[in-house]
Amino acid sequence: DAGVIQSPRHEVTEMGQEVTLRCKPISGHDYLFWYRQTMMRGLELLIYFNNNVPIDDSGMPEDRFSAKMPNASFSTLKIQPSEPRDSAVYFCASSPPGVAYEQYFGPGTRLTVT
Amino acid sequence: GQQLNQSPQSMFIQEGEDVSMNCTSSSIFNTWLWYKQEPGEGPVLLIALYKAGELTSNGRLTAQFGITRKDSFLNISASIPSDVGIYFCAGQGTGSSASKIIFGSGTRLSIRP
Repeated sequence: DAGVIQSPRHEVTEMGQEVTLRCKPISGHDYLFWYRQTMMRGLELLIYFNNNVPIDDSGMPEDRFSAKMPNASFSTLKIQPSEPRDSAVYFCASSPPGVAYEQYFGPGTRLTVT
Repeated sequence: GQQLNQSPQSMFIQEGEDVSMNCTSSSIFNTWLWYKQEPGEGPVLLIALYKAGELTSNGRLTAQFGITRKDSFLNISASIPSDVGIYFCAGQGTGSSASKIIFGSGTRLSIRP
């Protein structure tokens, strides 16, 4: 079975550019989470969705970050404009109905903003 | 907010040694989870614990949910090279945060040269 799919795996962009990260959750899962991982701050939850509806976006750093989930099989995390401090690995995770805490992670997108 | 303190931060092992790591919190958690992350990959769920006092094994891995619901430990017996990676504990929040999990800072396991 396919796990969580993320694209691209690596992204290098210049400061000020728009960046869009993509995620396809596991089929049948109704929770989707976006995390950011850095050496300094570890794994941080940015936002999560349930049944395509954003439930908690309190972890989104600032207005430059936005996330959407137009349907059950696709989500995007957008950064506009990007800054060097946004450099990190961004993970998408999904979980089955009723067990939001059993999260299955994608391979991540390593973002470098120069 | 809820925070997890994970220790040790890093450890070096020799093949065949047993390994122990733990996680503590000042808050109660309903569920404890242990994840492993290998380089270039996302964390993978190893063990989930649902009840205070619960002891659960997954192969050479054993984890326990503390009686106070504020701590958990993970043991790895007879370590092998593929055990290398970063191990994260995570706790399921309570109340309005019940759909979220809080991650510890991780324990990096390496092979002693």
